[in-house]
Amino acid sequence: EAAVTQSPRNKVAVTGGKVTLSCNQTNNHNNMYWYRQDTGHGLRLIHYSYGAGSTEKGDIPDGYKASRPSQENFSLILELATPSQTSVYFCASGDGVVTEVFFGKGTRLTVV
Amino acid sequence: GDSVTQTEGLVTLTEGLPVMLNCTYQTIYSNPFLFWYVQHLNESPRLLLKSFTDNKRTEHQGFHATLHKSSSSFHLQKSSAQLSDSALYYCAPGTGGYKVVFGSGTRLLVSP
Repeated sequence: EAAVTQSPRNKVAVTGGKVTLSCNQTNNHNNMYWYRQDTGHGLRLIHYSYGAGSTEKGDIPDGYKASRPSQENFSLILELATPSQTSVYFCASGDGVVTEVFFGKGTRLTVV
Repeated sequence: GDSVTQTEGLVTLTEGLPVMLNCTYQTIYSNPFLFWYVQHLNESPRLLLKSFTDNKRTEHQGFHATLHKSSSSFHLQKSSAQLSDSALYYCAPGTGGYKVVFGSGTRLLVSP
């Protein structure tokens, strides 16, 4: 079974602060993804990566950076957190368009 | 770019009635894979079923869908809804690139 682990699971941050969400996968998948989920908007892609050292902008990258230092790890960075970034964030990994993506359990971020 | 449209935001049904959730997609890729994911409350999305064969019915856990390339559709159906089917359902295309995007999701609520 594919394993994608996110940390932290819950986070409260202050406006203007820096937030780092971490994701680790043990499946040796090439591709990793960060999504945010908001009621009425579904899952929206923030950043993705197709291998160590690569990061690509998704559909809503503004205000977010990503880092893929290794095959296993993919981080999402909010340099200056804002209340509008309050959401549930999901990391996922996959190995190509013909296979499914596997999700972590999500991180609930609240920016106050 | 690639996109997917799920036409209903909320579908409410009485237990025992048939389910149909709509999904249409746009892509320049000639051989897309299509996926349906299901997300129950307080869980992360997981694969429900997938297909890449035109006009072939795919079934899993009582749900079925048929990929119709002529109409760019991949509607999800079930003959008889159960209370446990209440969840959020996402359609997603796999279209030849690394990027994986989801539709806005359809919330299915099944009542007794």
